[in-house]
Amino acid sequence: AQTVTQSQPEMSVQEAETVTLSCTYDTSESDYYLFWYKQPPSRQMILVIRQEAYKQQNATENRFSVNFQKAAKSFSLKISDSQLGDAAMYFCAYRSAGWGGADGLTFGKGTHLIIQP
Amino acid sequence: DTAVSQTPKYLVTQMGNDKSIKCEQNLGHDTMYWYKQDSKKFLKIMFSYNNKELIINETVPNRFSPKSPDKAHLNLHINSLELGDSAVYFCASSPGPRGYGYTFGSGTRLTVV
Repeated sequence: AQTVTQSQPEMSVQEAETVTLSCTYDTSESDYYLFWYKQPPSRQMILVIRQEAYKQQNATENRFSVNFQKAAKSFSLKISDSQLGDAAMYFCAYRSAGWGGADGLTFGKGTHLIIQP
Repeated sequence: DTAVSQTPKYLVTQMGNDKSIKCEQNLGHDTMYWYKQDSKKFLKIMFSYNNKELIINETVPNRFSPKSPDKAHLNLHINSLELGDSAVYFCASSPGPRGYGYTFGSGTRLTVV
């Protein structure tokens, strides 16, 4: 079974600065997807960024980028120019690319990101 | 139009009652899921349905029974509610085989008193 580990229960960053959230995972599969989800106090799960394991190029979405190290099984999220609206729980998640596409997401325990004004 | 809608958003009920949470998606996705988020914010999959067929059934008490009347709906029925069932329940959908675009509903906060 796959596991996802987020070793930082909480992180704090000054507004406009850069912060990196860590995520490692364990799998024996070679083909999979990785995700970062944001959950603000509204509790809505919002997809921030995703990465296909077969792609070497790191995904980017505006101020959000990942550092995907497949051999090290590491998938960190970098948030540049942090904004107050970035304050939320951030979850790293793994999904197998195997049969049927019906595999669920395996989540880490989350990192609570605080933005200091 | 909301892509994945869950009703109700909040549910407060007494121990021992039976309740249902409804989920509908209008994205044309083949696969739907139920996730549970506990008080420590940990999210774990409960069930997965692909084209109305149960695919994943994690270690969940058999008091929880999903029902998929059609591809666009996946309801969750819970019998004999217990205090430990208090959580936020999320419905989600994805396009299906090799589709990795998950869309989540806004969650249902269930409180058992």
